[in-house]
Amino acid sequence: DVKVTQSSRYLVKRTGEKVFLECVQDMDHENMFWYRQDPGLGLRLIYFSYDVKMKEKGDIPEGYSVSREKKERFSLILESASTNQTSMYLCASSPPGGSHTGELFFGEGSRLTVL
Amino acid sequence: GESVGLHLPTLSVQEGDNSIINCAYSNSASDYFIWYKQESGKGPQFIIDIRSNMDKRQGQRVTVLLNKTVKHLSLQIAATQPGDSAVYFCAERGSGGSNYKLTFGKGTLLTVNP
Repeated sequence: DVKVTQSSRYLVKRTGEKVFLECVQDMDHENMFWYRQDPGLGLRLIYFSYDVKMKEKGDIPEGYSVSREKKERFSLILESASTNQTSMYLCASSPPGGSHTGELFFGEGSRLTVL
Repeated sequence: GESVGLHLPTLSVQEGDNSIINCAYSNSASDYFIWYKQESGKGPQFIIDIRSNMDKRQGQRVTVLLNKTVKHLSLQIAATQPGDSAVYFCAERGSGGSNYKLTFGKGTLLTVNP
């Protein structure tokens, strides 16, 4: 079975703290993504990466950064957490879009609360 | 701008009935569409996909219909079961450079009553 694993299911952090959300996939996928999910807004793309050390901004990158040092791992970083970053964060991966349908495989999500 | 949206935010059906979940999209250049199911506390899971050169695709108890003329996508679930209760998202992929980036709709909550 394909597997995307997010290291923390639930986190509670304080305003101003630095937060790391880790994601690992075991499918040797080139593409990895970070989305946030909020009621009434659906899934919004924060950042994605199509190769090691490569990254591209999604639709809402402000306040976030990412790291892709190894193919299987994609980290989302909140340099200074704010209350409006309280959300469900979803990591996903996919094979190269040109050679596959482009289906995303999602992790179980990390629910972050910033106090 | 480009967007993917849903006509109905909630849908309640009786067990055994057929369900139809609708989705409108605005990017006429999108070449690929997916339906995802998200159960409470879990990440979205792939249900079925369809390419823009098709207008219908069937899976196990599910059918996706694509009407490119009116930019409309629907998911039909036959003989809906309580286990089908979830939020359903449609997603589209633009053709060309962003061919690995999906844009998601806001979701429809399907509730199946026993």
